[in-house]
Amino acid sequence: DAGVTQSPTHLIKTRGQQVTLRCSPISGHKSVSWYQQVLGQGPQFIFQYYEKEERGRGNFPDRFSARQFPNYSSELNVNALLLGDSALYLCASTEGDVAFFGQGTRLTVV
Amino acid sequence: KQEVTQIPAALSVPEGENLVLNCSFTDSAIYNLQWFRQDPGKGLTSLLLIQSSQREQTSGRLNASLDKSSGRSTLYIAASQPGDSATYLCAVRYDYKLSFGAGTTVTVRA
Repeated sequence: DAGVTQSPTHLIKTRGQQVTLRCSPISGHKSVSWYQQVLGQGPQFIFQYYEKEERGRGNFPDRFSARQFPNYSSELNVNALLLGDSALYLCASTEGDVAFFGQGTRLTVV
Repeated sequence: KQEVTQIPAALSVPEGENLVLNCSFTDSAIYNLQWFRQDPGKGLTSLLLIQSSQREQTSGRLNASLDKSSGRSTLYIAASQPGDSATYLCAVRYDYKLSFGAGTTVTVRA
């Protein structure tokens, strides 16, 4: 059974551009969460979606948005990119108590 | 606000030595605590989950304890191997999100 899959694995964007990151949860998992991990730090919570509804949002600006589709996959959008948005973006799917993470998308803003 | 701290930030040991990694959190009202492993530039691999009602959890050479009242968890890795070299993160779940520590980077010398 496939784990959490994220795409793309790496990308480079210019300041001011917009980016969309994608996540497919483990089959049967209805909850998807997004985290941002800056180098040398632990992941920081951005969003959680459950059954296509936003369940929670972390302390991130409105430039960050997300949605969940009927098949439970999810997209994270970041507008007006800043250098400080450079990070590893992690997606997690949860069913019950255990969170399973994907391999992440490494975003570099130049 | 939940604060999670991991000490030490880095640890280097010779092969065969036992590892002791510490995690502390400020708010004891947690649902569970999860330990993860992260290899450089990669996603998170779940190692152990301890429910708030449990005192410890074991998997192979790994043992994690939880003292919720004092806000502490310890991960023990017995008979370390070079393949155990990685960053270990603890995360506490309260409400719908995980709060992470910054991790302990472990190097096991052959």
